[in-house]
Amino acid sequence: EIVLTQSPATLSLSPGERATLSCRASQSVYTSLAWYQQKPGQAPRLLIYDASNRATGIPARFSGSGSGTDFTLTISSLEPEDFAVYYCQQRTNWPYTFGQGTKLEIK
Amino acid sequence: EVQLVESGGGLVQPGGSLRLSCAASGFTFTTYRMSWVRQPPGKGLEWVGNIKEDGNEKYYVDSVKGRFTISRDNAKNSLYLQMNSLRAEDTAVYYCARGGGTVSSWGQGTLVTVSS
Repeated sequence: EIVLTQSPATLSLSPGERATLSCRASQSVYTSLAWYQQKPGQAPRLLIYDASNRATGIPARFSGSGSGTDFTLTISSLEPEDFAVYYCQQRTNWPYTFGQGTKLEIK
Repeated sequence: EVQLVESGGGLVQPGGSLRLSCAASGFTFTTYRMSWVRQPPGKGLEWVGNIKEDGNEKYYVDSVKGRFTISRDNAKNSLYLQMNSLRAEDTAVYYCARGGGTVSSWGQGTLVTVSS
């Protein structure tokens, strides 16, 4: 099973700042990696697929990069609605797995 | 608009069974693999399994193999999850999800609680 490790576990930032979230895979997932955002009491929402492609309707301040084992989700300038939990997920090998999540909180 | 509406969750005793349903609308159901993803209270996400468009290929995470069965009725645009021999560790919100490898749309989730 491919293990995804996200860092940091919690990130405290202020609106307007830049957020950089990391996801490291235990073996190469090539570019078969997605990022999701989840707010309390809501279902997750797809942000990025195939490492760097924004999903439909996702603002341009969200970007994804990386390949192989190291991936990054960047939010260029935080809006109040961006404070949430973010998960990465791989679809290279079954079982598909998620990282443990990064909580982005308001500083 | 894509809609996925789960139903069938609730409280069940250990060893019991439950069947979840998901009604899909707003897209061509027959052209998508579908999945179930679960989330224990206060914890992260786990992919339970997925099913091919025609229902002939299914994958399950090891922890539910032999106990859970995913099926679909393309005539009714519906996805199902039959859960048998339920355990306390199966307690979670279960999400119906569009996609077999990347989830492009999620239902609102239905809570399954396994407890005596």
